[in-house]
Amino acid sequence: GDSVTQTEGPVTVSESESLIINCTYSATSIAYPNLFWYVRYPGEGLQLLLKVITAGQKGSSRGFEATYNKETTSFHLQKASVQESDSAVYYCALGENNYAQGLTFGLGTRVSVFP
Amino acid sequence: AQTIHQWPVAEIKAVGSPLSLGCTIKGKSSPNLYWYWQATGGTLQQLFYSITVGQVESVVQLNLSASRPKDDQFILSTEKLLLSHSGFYLCAWTSNTGQLYFGEGSKLTVL
Repeated sequence: GDSVTQTEGPVTVSESESLIINCTYSATSIAYPNLFWYVRYPGEGLQLLLKVITAGQKGSSRGFEATYNKETTSFHLQKASVQESDSAVYYCALGENNYAQGLTFGLGTRVSVFP
Repeated sequence: AQTIHQWPVAEIKAVGSPLSLGCTIKGKSSPNLYWYWQATGGTLQQLFYSITVGQVESVVQLNLSASRPKDDQFILSTEKLLLSHSGFYLCAWTSNTGQLYFGEGSKLTVL
């Protein structure tokens, strides 16, 4: 089946430092998966951070970037300079073009940013 | 604007007791609906999905059942809870671009 593996948390980083959360996927049943990063901030619901549906393309949102690399089956999330407000749990996910069957999620990575 | 509401926010139940969790979506006609479950320390695991009223597909067997009695309503239930049912349950719907919109979730503790 399909699966997503991401950096095991928790990850602790100081404000203004860089952050990278690794994500690799295996899409055995999907020829051209769409890739997503979701985020849950403390006290809030799970929400979409960014998505990329075409291999080779980069998505960005709130200073975060992720590039869809089909060769390495990766979709790492990066931010050059984090802020305390980036403290959250981040989930990598994949899905197919026909979204009826939903998404497959990774375990999630808890990130804590300290001032 | 679409809204998604889950109830209850939290439940503490005894092993062997029944459970019913609900989800209502407003502002979206004929949405694809999903139930996800997350055990403590685990990943978000899809349990069920439904693309139309009266039809529900099971993705993972956890001795739970789901029903879609109305276009905007999705119900998760069981007659006998197990300890392993504890966790966080999320209802979601997808937009035409595949983005999942989640509810606030229901936290279930089985004792």
